[in-house]
Amino acid sequence: QKEVEQNSGPLSVPEGAIASLNCTYSDRVSQSFFWYRQYSGKSPELIMSIYSNGDKEDGRFTAQLNKASQYVSLLIRDSQPSDSATYLCAVRVKGTGFQKLVFGTGTRLLVSP
Amino acid sequence: SQTIHQWPATLVQPVGSPLSLECTVEGTSNPNLYWYRQAAGRGLQLLFYSIGIDQISSEVPQNLSASRPQDRQFILSSKKLLLSDSGFYLCAFSTDSGNTIYFGEGSWLTVV
Repeated sequence: QKEVEQNSGPLSVPEGAIASLNCTYSDRVSQSFFWYRQYSGKSPELIMSIYSNGDKEDGRFTAQLNKASQYVSLLIRDSQPSDSATYLCAVRVKGTGFQKLVFGTGTRLLVSP
Repeated sequence: SQTIHQWPATLVQPVGSPLSLECTVEGTSNPNLYWYRQAAGRGLQLLFYSIGIDQISSEVPQNLSASRPQDRQFILSSKKLLLSDSGFYLCAFSTDSGNTIYFGEGSWLTVV
């Protein structure tokens, strides 16, 4: 089982709709979770971090965490064509004496005008 | 503010040639530094991380090495490139007080 799993997509949504991106992880003791956005050919940029169960909202973005189900999601409200990108889920896991960030392979989001 | 820069942005190198990618961080001291690689259609793979000068750990066996000659400088090297070394290389940093990793602009390497 991969440490962090995401559906590769593409996830296609019309402009103005809600996009829902999902991620599952295998390490039960993980405490820190992140969503990054990566435009084609560019480096990932941080969207949100979440550490506690429940929802965390930042503008049009809402991160949701359920540690019991080992599940984290990202909702994008009022999706815009500029949101079209690959969204990477990242989970901090404990390595050998070091906590490292493990990334999923990403979900490609396409927002059509 | 904290910033990170890496270069070169793109390079095309023949098989067997050496490699040097460089990264510097500004606005913070004693950052944790990372090198990731993203192969085409694949996820980000952690190659090296460093918690201090001359303190570097390798995550996967490979044809690459890393060095940290100064507190905020991280270098990725190879003596002889392989075709399989092609990919998008990303330098990143985090701070002691922070839990978040921030990436540089990335370097596209094509080995031909």
